Amino acid sequence: QQQVKQSPQSLIVQKGGISIINCAYENTAFDYFPWYQQFPGKGPALLIAIRPDVSEKKEGRFTISFNKSAKQFSLHIMDSQPGDSATYFCAASSTYAGGTSYGKLTFGQGTILTVHP
Amino acid sequence: GAVVSQHPSRVICKSGTSVKIECRSLDFQATTMFWYRQFPKKSLMLMATSNEGSKATYEQGVEKDKFLINHASLTLSTLTVTSAHPEDSSFYICSADDISTSGMQNTQYFGPGTRLTVL
Repeated sequence: QQQVKQSPQSLIVQKGGISIINCAYENTAFDYFPWYQQFPGKGPALLIAIRPDVSEKKEGRFTISFNKSAKQFSLHIMDSQPGDSATYFCAASSTYAGGTSYGKLTFGQGTILTVHP
Repeated sequence: GAVVSQHPSRVICKSGTSVKIECRSLDFQATTMFWYRQFPKKSLMLMATSNEGSKATYEQGVEKDKFLINHASLTLSTLTVTSAHPEDSSFYICSADDISTSGMQNTQYFGPGTRLTVL
């Protein structure tokens, strides 16, 4: 029930195209859904995050779409650039989980995105 | 803002030695810090949750005597890998929960990671 399933494992997109990465979760207590971008040999960097009270959030070329009833959320990267080539992780947590569960992020398996010039 | 640093960025040690990794939140205070381990091309695996002034909470399967965590202040947590062996070689990443948004946003900021190689 704690799992977050992410797909696809890898994605190849042409420059200027749209990259779409999907995640699904089971735990209905999750109420915070961030996306992280990680370059090789570096730590993950927070890209964008959403809460279940909205169905979409956009920041620049990055958009999260959230479907609460389906327990799914996705990251859309518009006008993908070679510099976007990285590994992307979705994650989920429960802000109000008590005790030792507070703040713990459950990560998806990751998607390796390659944007060809 | 919201910068987390780790030191060292890379360490090579001999089998049987202990290695200490520091994680600092540079421009914010962190009630909670997390330690992760990441294998090549894999996701992040949470090892332990560290709260300032109290004992760390370890995930199932993580040896608390091998991976010692100390969270001495609101800006510093350390992970010590004791009696390191080649199988402990990995990428270790910390994250810090910004106290100013705790309970509201639950935002974790990650450090750049430490590459540990045990010979």
